[in-house]
Amino acid sequence: GAGVSQSPSNKVTEKGKDVELRCDPISGHTALYWYRQSLGQGLEFLIYFQGNSAPDKSGLPSDRFSAERTGGSVSTLTIQRTQQEDSAVYLCASTPDRGRETQYFGPGTRLLVL
Amino acid sequence: SQELEQSPQSLIVQEGKNLTINCTSSKTLYGLYWYKQKYGEGLIFLMMLQKGGEEKSHEKITAKLDEKKQQSSLHITASQPSHAGIYLCGAERDKLVFGAGTILRVKS
Repeated sequence: GAGVSQSPSNKVTEKGKDVELRCDPISGHTALYWYRQSLGQGLEFLIYFQGNSAPDKSGLPSDRFSAERTGGSVSTLTIQRTQQEDSAVYLCASTPDRGRETQYFGPGTRLLVL
Repeated sequence: SQELEQSPQSLIVQEGKNLTINCTSSKTLYGLYWYKQKYGEGLIFLMMLQKGGEEKSHEKITAKLDEKKQQSSLHITASQPSHAGIYLCGAERDKLVFGAGTILRVKS
């Protein structure tokens, strides 16, 4: 069956531009996570969606970052006025429920801000 | 410094050799995850350890959790080229935190 998909796979943008990253979780998975992996660093949690509950935004690094999840399925991570330090791989993961033991990751979006 | 320190940062082993990767936490561990990442692919969940002394195995990969030492070790027996990749440990806080990863290369 289809796994978690993300698009685009690569994105190069100019500093100051806005970008949107998309995540299609596995059908039926109620929980969705966004992470960021910067060069030489471990994964950094960004935001967590669980069903219809208010998302856990505690990991978003600044107010330039926002995310939505429409209809409990597809999620979009938006970065406004991108900065060079935003360059990273952005990973999305989904799980069937709150349990993290079966977390499925997408291939990631590689973002480069020039 | 990171909450989770992994060692070594990178490792090159001859095929067939055993190896160990360590993950040490600066805080009490309540749950620890091991992931593997191959270039161009998403993270693959390997296993989760929840209790001190717990040990789990998946094929030739074994992970242990030492709560007192706030450390987990991942051991690969008789390594193969398919084991190559980046191994990441993650821990439960109010959210997941991760180590910087260990790059493993296996020479044929």
